[in-house]
Amino acid sequence: QVQLVQSGAEVKKPGASVKISCKSSGYTFTTYAISWVRQAPGQGLEWMGWISVYNGNTNYRQNLQGRVTMTTDTSTSTAYMELGSLRSDDTAVYYCVRVTYGGNGLDYWGQGTLVTVSS
Amino acid sequence: DIQMTQSPSSLSASVGDRVTVTCRASQSIGTSLNWYQQKPGKAPKLLIYAAYRLQTGVPSRFSGSGSGTDFTLTISSLQPEDFATYYCQQSYNTPWTFGQGTRVEIK
Repeated sequence: QVQLVQSGAEVKKPGASVKISCKSSGYTFTTYAISWVRQAPGQGLEWMGWISVYNGNTNYRQNLQGRVTMTTDTSTSTAYMELGSLRSDDTAVYYCVRVTYGGNGLDYWGQGTLVTVSS
Repeated sequence: DIQMTQSPSSLSASVGDRVTVTCRASQSIGTSLNWYQQKPGKAPKLLIYAAYRLQTGVPSRFSGSGSGTDFTLTISSLQPEDFATYYCQQSYNTPWTFGQGTRVEIK
């Protein structure tokens, strides 16, 4: 069965960076894009961007440009999301999500990784 | 960015009720509209994609309709496990955007 398993919770100071991993299994990793979505405590969902695992092309949310980097390692079927220059309002649960084959939605979600930014 | 507006923000309903949630896009998005269900402390789950297509494994009491700017998620007979928050999301243009969510609570 399809599974996306994320790395554990992180606590970071303002200005630091965080890198979250997302290991995929149960499907051909290179066939589907991976997207990242975050959710601040008690808030709604925010799409951060996606990466084509096939060719490495990325599409980032404009207000994260320059701070976010999405990568993949096809040898281990793992996706990564690094967010730099962290601020308190980056505190959120971060999800990696598989994009449906037709690009119509987000069909399999990781369990989420809580990132807390606090001095 | 395309703005997605859901209504209502919350509703109270009883088991067996028919429930309807509405999502409006700030511009036409064709049928590039998806619906998700999220329970507390859990990741969202895809219910409906491309406006009306039921994701594999999702009960048939869930249905979606609409095109252009106005969309609807309907639960034909609310079950205890359906109490959750529901989000719409457009995949027409990046940045993909979500509605603010509709919380379905027990009456």
